[in-house]
Amino acid sequence: QEKVQQSPESLIVPEGAMSSLNCTFSNSASQSIWWYQQHPGKGPEALISIFSNGNKKEGRLTVYLNRASLHVSLHIRDSQPSDSAVYLCAVSPSSNTNKVVFGTGTRLQVLP
Amino acid sequence: GGIITQTPKFLIGQEGQKLTLKCQQNFNHDTMYWYRQDSGKGLRLIYYSITENDLQKGDLSEGYDASREKKSSFSLTVTSAQKNEMAVFLCASSIFGNQAPLFGEGTRLSVL
Repeated sequence: QEKVQQSPESLIVPEGAMSSLNCTFSNSASQSIWWYQQHPGKGPEALISIFSNGNKKEGRLTVYLNRASLHVSLHIRDSQPSDSAVYLCAVSPSSNTNKVVFGTGTRLQVLP
Repeated sequence: GGIITQTPKFLIGQEGQKLTLKCQQNFNHDTMYWYRQDSGKGLRLIYYSITENDLQKGDLSEGYDASREKKSSFSLTVTSAQKNEMAVFLCASSIFGNQAPLFGEGTRLSVL
C-alpha cells in the first residue's frame, strides 16, 4: 500500500522568497509523481509531473526526484501571494498505475 | 473543453441517512475516482473505476458504495452518515494510468 507524506504541514514565506516543499513515498518503483495546487473552495489542479530521477524545471517551478531516497521536492522561485494555496503530492504505484494516492498536503502562505 | 461536474455542491444530511453524490465528465476518460478531503488536508482515495461497470476499493472504502453505470458518470453513496461529519468529496477522471487526474470542484458534506 503506497504511503505519501508531505512536509512541512504549513509554510509561510515573504514575497520573492523561494518556497521548498517535500514529499516522501513508500515504493521506489512508483511510476508517476505529480504536484497539485489547490485554492480554497476549488478542486486540485496538476502543476508539474516527474517520472525519472533528476530534476525538471517549468517556469518558476523546479521538481527534484530521488527514487533511492524515496523523496521528491517542489521549489517555487520568486514566490508570489497568488501562490498561496495547499500543495499536494500524488503518486501512482507501478503495481497499479490507475490507483493515484495523495499526500497530506502543505499549506503555503506567501506574505506581501 | 471538457469539464467534471459534481452535484450537489453542498449536501446537508441527518445522522444515519443514506446520501448519494454524483459526478459527470465529458472528457471521455476511462478512469474515474472519488476522494475525501478533511479540513483542507490531503486526499484519501475511496473508490476508483477503470471502465464502465468496474469498481476498485481505495484505502477508505468502508462506509461507502460506488456505481459506474456509464463511462461518463460515477456516483458515490455514503451508506450511513455520521453525526458532525464534515468533509469535501472530490471526483476526478483521467484518460488512463500515468496521466494526472483532473478534478471537479467538490461536494461539501455536513451532517447534523
